[in-house]
Amino acid sequence: ETGVTQTPRHLVMGMTNKKSLKCEQHLGHNAMYWYKQSAKKPLELMFVYSLEERVENNSVPSRFSPECPNSSHLFLHLHTLQPEDSALYLCASSQDGAGSNEQFFGPGTRLTVL
Amino acid sequence: LAKTTQPISMDSYEGQEVNITCSHNNIATNDYITWYQQFPSQGPRFIIQGYKTKVTNEVASLFIPADRKSSTLSLPRVSLSDTAVYYCLVARAGSSNTGKLIFGQGTTLQVKP
Repeated sequence: ETGVTQTPRHLVMGMTNKKSLKCEQHLGHNAMYWYKQSAKKPLELMFVYSLEERVENNSVPSRFSPECPNSSHLFLHLHTLQPEDSALYLCASSQDGAGSNEQFFGPGTRLTVL
Repeated sequence: LAKTTQPISMDSYEGQEVNITCSHNNIATNDYITWYQQFPSQGPRFIIQGYKTKVTNEVASLFIPADRKSSTLSLPRVSLSDTAVYYCLVARAGSSNTGKLIFGQGTTLQVKP
């Protein structure tokens, strides 16, 4: 247990569905992150939130919409996804936004888009 | 952030010491060298971080030469459970910088009995 939980752990959705991924951290951290890991590819940073403000958006398509209502919770809202969006989506948190701080990762959500 | 280069894969046997070297030629003054471990279908886990010379914790040692253009992660007496992907990253210090971690392909370590 890393102190970062993600739900659901597995998700299958059609291209017309709308779903949300949830991440919660119990570490008192101020920064949270979304990563995408496709098969046989490196982890890709998608979004960074520091003190509930989005500070990084790595050219992610608008069909992915993050939300950070407070420093403990992070959501990724999904709509009209494509099959190539199937991947492991990982949430992480760190004490603050400094790159050298250790990031604690959740177990991930395995997403399959049909 | 400096790009890192490390071997794609390595094989070892139980009980051996494993050294994984990473090059980061363009490392900047305020960059730290960080290593993460990832098991299949799990998130990465922080192993060790250093700035220069040698750092040791209960899991591994990290050796960094004076020019800091490379680093070596040393895993003493590996076991089957050390089979994983190991990522070398360069991370920038300072709270004004976002926690941007650039993950490369990593090194897939296979430990054999």
